[in-house]
Amino acid sequence: AQTVTQSQPEMSVQEAETVTLSCTYDTSESNYYLFWYKQPPSRQMILVIRQEAYKQQNATENRFSVNFQKAAKSFSLKISDSQLGDTAMYFCAFLSGTYKYIFGTGTRLKVLA
Amino acid sequence: DTGVSQDPRHKITKRGQNVTFRCDPISEHNRLYWYRQTLGQGPEFLTYFQNEAQLEKSRLLSDRFSAERPKGSFSTLEIQRTEQGDSAMYLCASSQDSNLETQYFGPGTRLLVL
Repeated sequence: AQTVTQSQPEMSVQEAETVTLSCTYDTSESNYYLFWYKQPPSRQMILVIRQEAYKQQNATENRFSVNFQKAAKSFSLKISDSQLGDTAMYFCAFLSGTYKYIFGTGTRLKVLA
Repeated sequence: DTGVSQDPRHKITKRGQNVTFRCDPISEHNRLYWYRQTLGQGPEFLTYFQNEAQLEKSRLLSDRFSAERPKGSFSTLEIQRTEQGDSAMYLCASSQDSNLETQYFGPGTRLLVL
């Protein structure tokens, strides 16, 4: 069975600094997708970034980028120039085959002014 | 805004009562998913629909839970004889055939069973 592990329950970062959130996963599949979702307080989950496993190039979306290490089964999220609006729970998610997401337990990120 | 909507946003009920939640997906999305999220955890998959067909159900979905999507549009999730352990956020998501991998989430229904 696939599992997703986020080992950092909470993190904080100063505004304008860079922070990296960790995610590791376990699977025997070769074709899959990985996602980072953001869940602001009392608001709905929003897709931050996605990565296809068959692509070697790391995905980027503006200030958000990933470091995808397929052999190590690692998928970290880097947030550059952190903003107060980045304060949220961040969930790493894995998807393969049946189209049901497997989520990690989340990392609570607080951006400090 | 034509995102995923859920109703109600909050529900407080007494143990043993039945509750029903509604989800309206993004209009052109054929797939609809239900997840449950308890405090301090990530969402866990419950079930999903392709149009009106329910294609997969998690073992988390006991016989007290039933989900429907009668016309392939909105969906309902009913919990019968609620228990305190049912207290959670119930999330709905949808995706479209041309981009099945990306799911768009609604705001959730927070259930508290007293």
